[in-house]
Parts: sequence; C-alpha cells; structure tokens
Amino acid sequence: TQLLEQSPQFLSIQEGENLTVYCNSSSVFSSLQWYRQEPGEGPVLLVTVVTGGEVKKLKRLTFQFGDARKDSSLHITAAQPGDTGLYLCAQGGSEKLVFGKGTKLTVNP
Amino acid sequence: DAGITQSPRHKVTETGTPVTLRCHQTENHRYMYWYRQDPGHGLRLIHYSYGVKDTDKGEVSDGYSVSRSKTEDFLLTLESATSSQTSVYFCAISESLVGDTIYFGEGSWLTVV
Repeated sequence: TQLLEQSPQFLSIQEGENLTVYCNSSSVFSSLQWYRQEPGEGPVLLVTVVTGGEVKKLKRLTFQFGDARKDSSLHITAAQPGDTGLYLCAQGGSEKLVFGKGTKLTVNP
Repeated sequence: DAGITQSPRHKVTETGTPVTLRCHQTENHRYMYWYRQDPGHGLRLIHYSYGVKDTDKGEVSDGYSVSRSKTEDFLLTLESATSSQTSVYFCAISESLVGDTIYFGEGSWLTVV
C-alpha cells in the first residue's frame, strides 16, 4: 500500500499570510487529488492533477504536481479564515483512493 | 451537493451490541465506500462496493460487514461493537473507481462505551 506523507501536520497562521503544504510519496502517483474538510463535514474535492509538472489554480489556491509525479504541493495566497480546515491529498491508481493524514490549517483573523 | 444521506448521524452504543449505519444515495453512482476517520490515522477505507451485491474489503475491514441489496443503499454493520470502533464514519460514492471524484456524506459519529 502506497503511503502518502503530508506536511506539516498542523499549521496556524494569521489572515493575509501565504502558506504551502506538501504531499509526498515513495512511489509514482497515477493521479493525485486534493480535498478540503471543514469541521463536522465530509471532505470536498478541490482539484485532480494527472500530468507531471502540472499546475492548477483555483482562486487563491495553486496546486502543483511534481515532475516525477511523486509529490505535490498546495499554495494558498493571502489566507483567509474561511480557508481553515483539514487539507487531504489522495492518490488514485489501479485500486481504491488512498488518503494522507492531512494538514490541519487554522487561519486566525 | 451530492445526494448522500447517512443515518444515524450520531449514536452512542454499548460494547457488544450490534450497530448498523446506513448510506443512501440519489446519484445512481456505481461505487460506494465506507471510511472511518480517526485522529492520527486519517481516512481509512473499511469496505467498498462496485455494484449490487458486489463488495470488497478495504484496509481496516476486521469487525465490519457490509451489504448492498440496492444501488442506492450501502449498509455498514458492526456485529459486536468495541471501543476501538468509536470513530467518525463517512460514506462516499463515485461513478468510477480510478481517479474519479469521490463525494462524501456528512459523517456518522459513533461512540462505543
């Protein structure tokens, strides 16, 4: 079973700051998904990346897939309190989706 | 929002009692999943289904059974609940298995005392 390592595990920042969280694996991803989970709710898909080197933007969120397809990053510009939540990466391959343990982000006003 | 309903949303039960969680979808998606989420472990797959009466084990299937008699319903049963099964349980659905979007329900909080 491929293991996904997410870092940092916890991150607490002030509103307006920038941040980057990471998702790494020892194996090649066939595709990678990023989800956000708010307290008391289920995860919601943010983006799927498939091609090595791919960059996708979703408003203030920028997702990058490593050239070797073994790592990915999520960068948030000018974080807002509404960005608070658990950010999960998930690897989809020939079997079921495997999730990392997540980065818990808190953006303080 | 994807049409996924989990019931019950909250339950407290005693050790040794049977518990059934229900997931109902209105999307007619082929695949349905049960995950549990625990601090320090993230989301872990318990069982999944790829069609009516077609199910398979996930990463943490011991102590759990599932059934899918209709496309829209996927039941998770704890035959004899233990304290280690205290968790938040999420049902999820997808149209296909590989790389597709998975839609999650709102979760069922189970406490075994």
